[in-house]
Amino acid sequence: QSALTQPPSASGSPGQSVTISCTGTSSDVGGYNYVSWYQQHPGKAPKLLIYEVSKRPSGVPDRFSGSKSGNTASLTVSGLQAEDEADYYCSSDAGRTNYVFGTGTKVIVL
Amino acid sequence: QVQLVQSGTEVKKPGASVKVSCTASGYIFTNYAMHWVRQAPGQRLEWMGWLNTDNGNTKYSQTFQGRITLTRDTSASTAYMILSSLRSEDTAMYYCARNVMGASWFDPWGQGTLVTVSS
Repeated sequence: QSALTQPPSASGSPGQSVTISCTGTSSDVGGYNYVSWYQQHPGKAPKLLIYEVSKRPSGVPDRFSGSKSGNTASLTVSGLQAEDEADYYCSSDAGRTNYVFGTGTKVIVL
Repeated sequence: QVQLVQSGTEVKKPGASVKVSCTASGYIFTNYAMHWVRQAPGQRLEWMGWLNTDNGNTKYSQTFQGRITLTRDTSASTAYMILSSLRSEDTAMYYCARNVMGASWFDPWGQGTLVTVSS
C-alpha cells in the first residue's frame, strides 16, 4: 500500500489560511469517506483533528476544516496561529481493514 | 480521562525481538480496537496493524507480516506489540492508538516508545 501524497510544506502568515492536499486513489481516499487528519508537534504524539473527511472531535477549533473531491482530500487551517506550526498527516481506510497515512506536510507560520 | 501509557525506551541488537506495551485507562479496554503505528526519525507515520481487543483477532500490514505479533492481556487492559528479526531500519518511535472498531480514525495515541536497533 503506497503512502498518500501530501506537499512537503505549506506556509502562511498569522491570520491567513493554508490548505493541505492529500491525494490517493480510488482504492483508498476516493473509495471511502474515511479520511482523517492528525497534527503532530515536534517530539509529541499525533493528535486527531478531523475524522470521516469533515467531522471535528470536541475540543478541536472550528478553524480546522476538511473536505474531499474524488481521490483528493484537503485540510484547511483558517486564521493561522503560531501554535498551528506543526506536521500534518492525512490517513485513509484502504479497504479490508488496512489503513494508510500520507507523506506529511510541515506547516510554517511566517 | 482516556489515556494510553506505553513502556519505555528499548535498545536492541540486530536480529533480536522487542515487546512494547500499551496500558489503557479511562475506558472499557475491550470496547475499542488498538492500532500500532511507527515513525522512523524524520519520516512519515506508517500503519503496522490492529488488534481486536475483545476476541484477539489481528490484521497486519503486509510490510510487517511475518515479523509482527499483536496480543493483549484484558485483565491488565494492556496491548502488546512484538516485532522480531529487528534490523537497523526498524529504529523508530512506535505508537499505540485507540480506534472505535469499524471506524477509521485513531484517538487518542500513546506517548510513543523509542526503539533503537544497533549493534
